[in-house]
Amino acid sequence: DSGVTQTPKHLITATGQRVTLRCSPRSGDLSVYWYQQSLDQGLQFLIQYYNGEERAKGNILERFSAQQFPDLHSELNLSSLELGDSALYFCASSVEARGTYGYTFGSGTRLTVV
Amino acid sequence: GENVEQHPSTLSVQEGDSAVIKCTYSDSASNYFPWYKQELGKGPQLIIDIRSNVGEKKDQRIAVTLNKTAKHFSLHITETQPEDSAVYFCAAHREYGNKLVFGAGTILRVKS
Repeated sequence: DSGVTQTPKHLITATGQRVTLRCSPRSGDLSVYWYQQSLDQGLQFLIQYYNGEERAKGNILERFSAQQFPDLHSELNLSSLELGDSALYFCASSVEARGTYGYTFGSGTRLTVV
Repeated sequence: GENVEQHPSTLSVQEGDSAVIKCTYSDSASNYFPWYKQELGKGPQLIIDIRSNVGEKKDQRIAVTLNKTAKHFSLHITETQPEDSAVYFCAAHREYGNKLVFGAGTILRVKS
């Protein structure tokens, strides 16, 4: 157990639907990162939050949004889902904003859009 | 922005042999280079890291080397075991940046 908790582990939904992925960071970590892992594209950075505020944005689609709550858990919202959104979504946390002491990853949410 | 290239994409070795995975980065301002191991059905796990003020770091059977001039770094696994079979990712972090940029990953298969 890495200390980063992601729920649900698996999610199957239909095209056009909306889903919410949840992440609880490791105790003491203030920064949360979201990554998408597709079969042929490795780990793609989506977005980072630090202590409730957005700090960095990567290749996140406009249909996707995220937030970090006062208790530091984070949610990634995916809407108008398409088949191509099927992927593993990982959350990672780090103690400070810049991540220079490495990240701790959760076990991921596998999203299947049918 | 930073770009990290990783080679090879797949690597098969015999149990007991050594394995080497290489990465190159583009941004000379990058100063932190971690390696992650991802087993099937799990998230990536940090196995070793190196900072730009160090040329080599070892932890039991794994070692990482860094050549700042050439902007490349490598992961070395000696005496490979079947449990070393996994996907390995290198990454680079730019000084004053906010995120790790990952390589595309290497599938390592250790044959017993």
